[in-house]
Amino acid sequence: GQNIDQPTEMTATEGAIVQINCTYQTSGFNGLFWYQQHAGEAPTFLSYNVLDGLEEKGRFSSFLSRSKGYSYLLLKELQMKDSASYLCAVTPPPGDSNYQLIWGAGTKLIIKP
Amino acid sequence: EPEVTQTPSHQVTQMGQEVILRCVPISNHLYFYWYRQILGQKVEFLVSFYNNEISEKSEIFDDQFSVERPDGSNFTLKIRSTKLEDSAMYFCASSEESAIRDYGYTFGSGTRLTVV
Repeated sequence: GQNIDQPTEMTATEGAIVQINCTYQTSGFNGLFWYQQHAGEAPTFLSYNVLDGLEEKGRFSSFLSRSKGYSYLLLKELQMKDSASYLCAVTPPPGDSNYQLIWGAGTKLIIKP
Repeated sequence: EPEVTQTPSHQVTQMGQEVILRCVPISNHLYFYWYRQILGQKVEFLVSFYNNEISEKSEIFDDQFSVERPDGSNFTLKIRSTKLEDSAMYFCASSEESAIRDYGYTFGSGTRLTVV
């Protein structure tokens, strides 16, 4: 089966740091995406991790541990515009599916002044 | 920056009617997808399309749905005999496989379908 878990909602303060966790239990795994989605808009790509470790892109970093089935998205120097839902999505290995993404329900992040 | 374009942005239709949702993927992308998101729920995969044919489809994508690439630029999703539960945001996406790691799948801004 396929299961991806994220916290439903988190609150943080402008200028602070927040870590959004994602755990997955899937029958196979190739890589993990993080997407940002503002209300009523399309998801926009943030990161894609295939190998274990931390990847940094400006204020956003994403970490993956394949052995633990765990990832997190780290957001630094939070800005009000970071208020959005953050979606974790997994790509199954070739053979199971070559194309579709399996999505978590998303974590709604609320930034307060 | 290249975009995936979807039209219309909002479509209201009566139950039982047919709708066609249109998408123009990024021109050098080879893989095309439709996803949907019912309000407040997860994004769900519908179908992927490559080399002018369906490569994968989900359980949701039954005989009520069809996709077509009528010309070199458009990619359409047809929903026949719409039901109330088809009300959702429908996202088109495209990808160039070799660029997934850096750019991921590029989503269009979506079509909000409301069935009344």
